[in-house]
Formats: sequence, structure tokens, C-alpha cells
Amino acid sequence: EVQLVESGGDLVQPGGSLRLSCAASGFTFSRYWMTWVRQAPGKGLEWVANMIHDGSLINYAESVKGRFTISRDNAKNSLYLQMNSLRAEDTALYYCARVSFEDEGMDVWGKGTTVTVSS
Amino acid sequence: QSVLTQPPSVSAAPGQRVTISCSGSTSNIGNNYVSWYQQLPGTAPRLLIHEDNKRPSGIPDRFSGSKSGTSATLGITGLQTGDEADYYCVTWDSSLSAGLFGGGTKLTVL
Repeated sequence: EVQLVESGGDLVQPGGSLRLSCAASGFTFSRYWMTWVRQAPGKGLEWVANMIHDGSLINYAESVKGRFTISRDNAKNSLYLQMNSLRAEDTALYYCARVSFEDEGMDVWGKGTTVTVSS
Repeated sequence: QSVLTQPPSVSAAPGQRVTISCSGSTSNIGNNYVSWYQQLPGTAPRLLIHEDNKRPSGIPDRFSGSKSGTSATLGITGLQTGDEADYYCVTWDSSLSAGLFGGGTKLTVL
């Protein structure tokens, strides 16, 4: 079964750091672009970052640039999001998604992991 | 304020047809593909349409996508109560080098 499972979400203080993980199974992870998307409570979806299949190309939303780092380990079929200098506005449910089609056509999504930034 | 503009809400009766618009610019919709997602309450988004007008396997042909210039449209025919959800358009922005989501549209089936 094709599956993505996020983990690592937690309650963290403003200015703190957190590392999210996304474990992929059921498909050849190393062949796909992968994306992180987040959704603040009661709000819409927000694109966060993506990474090419071999890690050689990365893009970030302006709102997280310089604070978040996306990475992957194809040997472990895993995608990561290192989040530093966290702010209250980073509070959200974070999804990872597989990109199968041009221009962010994301056909497989995880259930998400919750990040809460609060003192 | 999203770069991609969607109506906050639309509504229609069961069995009717509804369209949801997504307006952008030449740096995004005008020169890149659009995809559409359905998000039922409490669940992850689901891909409905990719590359402007293609349906993934398993998506009923009641859902359709189109694009003209810098605007895209999702159409849903034969509305069902189970279609009540939030719908989002997504594309790439070549100037920002970033993905973009529309603000989302809440569909109510009256």
C-alpha cells in the first residue's frame, strides 16, 4: 500500500526548533519530488517547501525561508523538515505529499503531524 | 491574502452543477499547470484534477477542470451531499519559485 506517515510534531516554545519526519512506503521514494504543506487551525492550505527526487533542487515559501530546511534520505525512504526559530504563526498541521504530476500535482498525502508553537 | 483568488464559498442543490474559479497571473496559472484538491472535514486533501484537466484514476467524471489564460475552473456536476468540502487550486509560481494554494472554497450542497 502506498503510504506516507508524518511524525515529530510537538508543543514547542517560540524560538525553538523541531524536526518533522515523513516515512514513505509502497512506492519507489527516490523517483519522486516531495512537498511539505501546512494548515493552520481553521485556515487554508499553505505550500511550505519541496525537494527534487535526488535532493539537488529545493524550493521554499517566503514565509519559512531561512528558518526551515527540507531534506531527504532516499536510503531510508524518508523526508524531513527541520524547523528553527519557530513562531506562533508556524502552528499548524504539517502534511507531506508525493508529487506525481507537473507543477505540484500531489497524489499521495499523509495524515499530518501537529506543531504547536506557544509559551 | 492569497496570490490565487478563489471565492470563499459556493452553494448549489443536490444534482445541480457548480463551478469554482481560481484566478492568478502570468507567472503562475498563465504559464503553469493547475491542480485541484478536495478536503473533507478532518481529512487530508485529495487530488481531483492535475495538469489543468486530467483526472487521476478513481476520480469520477463528475469532476472536471479547465483553464483559460490566467484563470482556472473546477466543475462538479450531479452534486451530492458527500461533495460538501473545501476545494483548493494549486499551481507553481515561476517568479516566486514556489508552489501556491488558492485560499480555498467551501462548497455547501443545500
